[in-house]
Amino acid sequence: KNQVEQSPQSLIILEGKNCTLQCNYTVSPFSNLRWYKQDTGRGPVSLTIMTFSENTKSNGRYTATLDADTKQSSLHITASQLSDSASYICVVSGGYNYGQNFVFGPGTRLSVLP
Amino acid sequence: ETGVTQSPTHLIKTRGQQVTLRCSSQSGHNTVSWYQQALGQGPQFIFQYYREEENGRGNFPPRFSGLQFPNYSSELNVNALELDDSALYLCASSFVGGATNEKLFFGSGTQLSVL
Repeated sequence: KNQVEQSPQSLIILEGKNCTLQCNYTVSPFSNLRWYKQDTGRGPVSLTIMTFSENTKSNGRYTATLDADTKQSSLHITASQLSDSASYICVVSGGYNYGQNFVFGPGTRLSVLP
Repeated sequence: ETGVTQSPTHLIKTRGQQVTLRCSSQSGHNTVSWYQQALGQGPQFIFQYYREEENGRGNFPPRFSGLQFPNYSSELNVNALELDDSALYLCASSFVGGATNEKLFFGSGTQLSVL
């Protein structure tokens, strides 16, 4: 069964600290892995997209890594800000941008405190 | 802003009623997908429309139906509403073409509450 698991379920950190979120997947075939940021009550916004040949991709203070062999990914947030408080969702795609090809993780809820 | 707009933003209905949610896709996109997101969970795929035809469906009953119009905007209709239909409904538009890593752009969602 195609699944995406994320850990931790929730995380609380202080402003300015770094953190790392984890994603494990069992989706096959694999096309790409995406990280999204979702503010409460809003739609997800794309942070990074990585294909199987990419090991790392950055977007400002966000750096995603991918190990296609172990089927693991991480999202590292550097020098966290209050605005980073959101849910971070890992999504694995098995092909073209057809909705049924996207498998969503449950998300990690990050709270950044002053 | 993603260029994907959804309406209404919030909606309250009672059990048994019918509801229509609307989505305007981003310019240049040819595909619209709908997702249901329960509180604290990831989005669940409902169905997708590609060039005005349903092109994939998740594990949702037939009372969930949709349309895509020539301008690629879309509607999600839910009949005989149940309490468990209370959720955030997300619309996502994308361009399906030769690449597999094109971005998926989400709207802000419609928060549906069924009482």
